[in-house]
Amino acid sequence: EDQVTQSPEALRLQEGESSSLNCSYTVSGLRGLFWYRQDPGKGPEFLFTLYSAGEEKEKERLKATLTKKESFLHITAPKPEDSATYLCAVQAGGGAQKLVFGQGTRLTINP
Amino acid sequence: DGGITQSPKYLFRKEGQNVTLSCEQNLNHDAMYWYRQDPGQGLRLIYYSQIVNDFQKGDIAEGYSVSREKKESFPLTVTSAQKNPTAFYLCASRHRTDSPLHFGNGTRLTVT
Repeated sequence: EDQVTQSPEALRLQEGESSSLNCSYTVSGLRGLFWYRQDPGKGPEFLFTLYSAGEEKEKERLKATLTKKESFLHITAPKPEDSATYLCAVQAGGGAQKLVFGQGTRLTINP
Repeated sequence: DGGITQSPKYLFRKEGQNVTLSCEQNLNHDAMYWYRQDPGQGLRLIYYSQIVNDFQKGDIAEGYSVSREKKESFPLTVTSAQKNPTAFYLCASRHRTDSPLHFGNGTRLTVT
């Protein structure tokens, strides 16, 4: 069964303190790994898609990386506005039509 | 601007009543999805549709129904058979299977 596990569940950082969020996955034939940001009471906002091991994507203070078993979302010198829940999801191959989501990491950046 | 519109934002119903959540998209996407989000859990798939007049059950379809009469619209009905309907409901669409999902801003349903 396809599965996604995110860690930690919650992370509190000081402004400027860099860190990483982890997304471990087991999936039959990965067709894509997706990162989203979700603010309270809102729908998830798409950040990155990674398709193959070794791929990296960057956007402002965020950088996503992918291996054959996990993905990391690195956040460099975060600001309070980076506070949100970050969701990871995988798309399996073999005709599967759904994304499987992890439970998310709730990130809080203190000024 | 293209996007997905969910309405209403908040919905309150008494137990035993059916309720319909609206989802409209102007992204010209063929595939549309309904997910449910509960605190501490990942998003769980309720129903999805890859084309007009066709839809499939997701992982937690019991107590829900959908229709797809138009490409732009994918309404979700929460029936009285759904045992724990109080949740945050998210509608999404995408262009093709390996594309990212685009989400609406959700409907928070409270049933008392």
